[in-house]
Amino acid sequence: QVQLVQSGAEVKRPGASVKVSCKASGYTFTSVDFNWVRQAPGQGLEWMGSINPNNGNTVYAQKFQGRVTMTRNAPISTVYMELSSLGSEDTAMYYCARWYCSGDSCHLDYWGQGTLITVSS
Amino acid sequence: QAVLTQPSSLSASPGASASLTCTLPSGLDIATYRIYWYQQKPGSPPQFLLRYKSDSNQQKGSGVPSRFSGSKDASANAGILVISGLQSDDEAAYHCMIWQNSVGVFGGGTKLTVL
Repeated sequence: QVQLVQSGAEVKRPGASVKVSCKASGYTFTSVDFNWVRQAPGQGLEWMGSINPNNGNTVYAQKFQGRVTMTRNAPISTVYMELSSLGSEDTAMYYCARWYCSGDSCHLDYWGQGTLITVSS
Repeated sequence: QAVLTQPSSLSASPGASASLTCTLPSGLDIATYRIYWYQQKPGSPPQFLLRYKSDSNQQKGSGVPSRFSGSKDASANAGILVISGLQSDDEAAYHCMIWQNSVGVFGGGTKLTVL
């Protein structure tokens, strides 16, 4: 069965960077794009970007351009999201999710369990 | 990128119907977009409910009951998630999403209370 397992919660100082991992299993890793979505406490979802695990191509939300880097390690079926220059406003739950397409129809089907990143001095 | 507008909260009674709206900004024509709806319960990641572009171009997630349906209101430039026969288990946050030039955009989410 498809599973996305994310790395554990972290506490970071303002100005630091954080790297979250998302390990996929149960399907062919390179067949489906990954998206990263975050959710601040009590707030809505915020799309951060996507990565094609086959070729490493990325698309980032304008808000995070220059501060986010998404990478992958295909041999271990893992994608990563690194966010730099952290501020308190980056305190959030971070999710990875698959962008699955069947023919013309696509959607975010499987999600990781989420990784809570807390930025605090 | 565009910002999608959703009411922050909505309350409805068990057995009733609820219509959750997702309004696109002016300049984006609702007719050209697929609206994705996700349900999220506390402490869990979102789950795909359905995608709606038109009655002939829509898709539901696996296991999603027929009580959940999509539509659009062109005059309001809005996508609509309709939940009929409300149950206590439908109490959750509902998020809409579109794709604009390969970039995802979410609304702020609607917290639905069934009471």
